[in-house]
Amino acid sequence: GNSVTQMEGPVTLSEEAFLTINCTYTATGYPSLFWYVQYPGEGLQLLLKATKADDKGSNKGFEATYRKETTSFHLEKGSVQVSDSAVYFCALSRNTGNQFYFGTGTSLTVIP
Amino acid sequence: GAGVSQSPSNKVTEKGKDVELRCDPISGHTALYWYRQSLGQGLEFLIYFQGNSAPDKSGLPSDRFSAERTGGSVSTLTIQRTQQEDSAVYLCASSLVGGGSYNEQFFGPGTRLTVL
Repeated sequence: GNSVTQMEGPVTLSEEAFLTINCTYTATGYPSLFWYVQYPGEGLQLLLKATKADDKGSNKGFEATYRKETTSFHLEKGSVQVSDSAVYFCALSRNTGNQFYFGTGTSLTVIP
Repeated sequence: GAGVSQSPSNKVTEKGKDVELRCDPISGHTALYWYRQSLGQGLEFLIYFQGNSAPDKSGLPSDRFSAERTGGSVSTLTIQRTQQEDSAVYLCASSLVGGGSYNEQFFGPGTRLTVL
């Protein structure tokens, strides 16, 4: 089947710390991979995506690389800011399917 | 431009009552999704509409849940005889076309349903 597993939260970091949120997936075929972010009081919005192996998605200083050999799509940022405090969701979509499969979300709090 | 809108933003109801949740997708988007986000859980897929095709209802948790999409635009999610375990945030998303990889989903702000 198709599923996404991401690291449990909550994660608390100091400003300017390095962030990694792990995400691994199980999928049939060749899925596309996504990170969505949900800021407090707002709806989910796409942060970045990668549609094939070895692609790197990047946005707002965040990066994630589609690793087929390890079935992973870990989210990284070199220096987090207070404004990055949010819940981050890893997701996959099969190219031939209708559904998106989301992880359980990882809550990040960045303290000054 | 307008994003995905949902109404009501909050709904409190008594166990056993029926509720209707509304979603207005982005104009021109042919695909529409409903998800449920329970406390401490990820997003649970409920149902998917694509154009005039039969909807994918594979995620609906019971026959108390139903949804329709009229005129290829507005969608209504109906929960009959609500139970306390139905309490959650119900999210709607739309995308330009349906399926897979290249189609970013745009999410609404959600409807928080509380069943007393």
